[in-house]
Amino acid sequence: QITLKESSPTRVKPTQTLTLTCTFSGFSLTTSGVGVGWIRQPPGKALECLAFIYWDDDRRYNPSLKSRLTITKDTSKNQVVLTMTNMDPVDTATYFCAHRGSLSGSWDTGYFDYWGQGALVTVSS
Amino acid sequence: EIVLTQSPGTLSLSPGERATLSCRASQGVSSNYLAWYQQRPGQAPRLLIYGAASRATGIPDRFSGIGSGTDFTLIIDRLEPEDFAVYYCQQYGLSPATFGQGTKLEIE
Repeated sequence: QITLKESSPTRVKPTQTLTLTCTFSGFSLTTSGVGVGWIRQPPGKALECLAFIYWDDDRRYNPSLKSRLTITKDTSKNQVVLTMTNMDPVDTATYFCAHRGSLSGSWDTGYFDYWGQGALVTVSS
Repeated sequence: EIVLTQSPGTLSLSPGERATLSCRASQGVSSNYLAWYQQRPGQAPRLLIYGAASRATGIPDRFSGIGSGTDFTLIIDRLEPEDFAVYYCQQYGLSPATFGQGTKLEIE
């Protein structure tokens, strides 16, 4: 059974760096082909794919946010961490981590077959 | 990037009816890499369909996806009360993966 859970501060100030942690079980990020992604959803708005990390430490980012994002993994803890710098109120959103579907095609993209419950992050001074 | 336009924005139907949701892409979706998700209030999205027409694990056969190129459709037969939610399409044929703005399926 695959599960994922996000943890993060609930509030950050503008210009600060946000650190999100995804703790997962039921799969291993050392297994060939496995990937984990981050997606966000501003209140009442659509979803936006942010980044992927793979079993071989390959990392892919949404070009529009690439300069602000860093994704890493700790396989010993079954965790994936996403940092986003220079936070702004427009970055207020629920942030989800998710398991990338195995039939996703190109490593730059993918669909998501298992999702965490999400973590709401508010950016406000 | 590929822009996905979903229609209608809101669909009002009754339990037992058939729902037809549309997703149109601004350019052709490579290899029909199109997914559909259901999102209930306060919950994470749930994968329904991938590859335009393949049902995800545990998804009832009341849900079906069709389409190719730029036009895709999600059909939900015999609506049940738990089907009333927001539905999103996502293309993953071209980076960055993008989502539509959603269709809200509400009880009439």
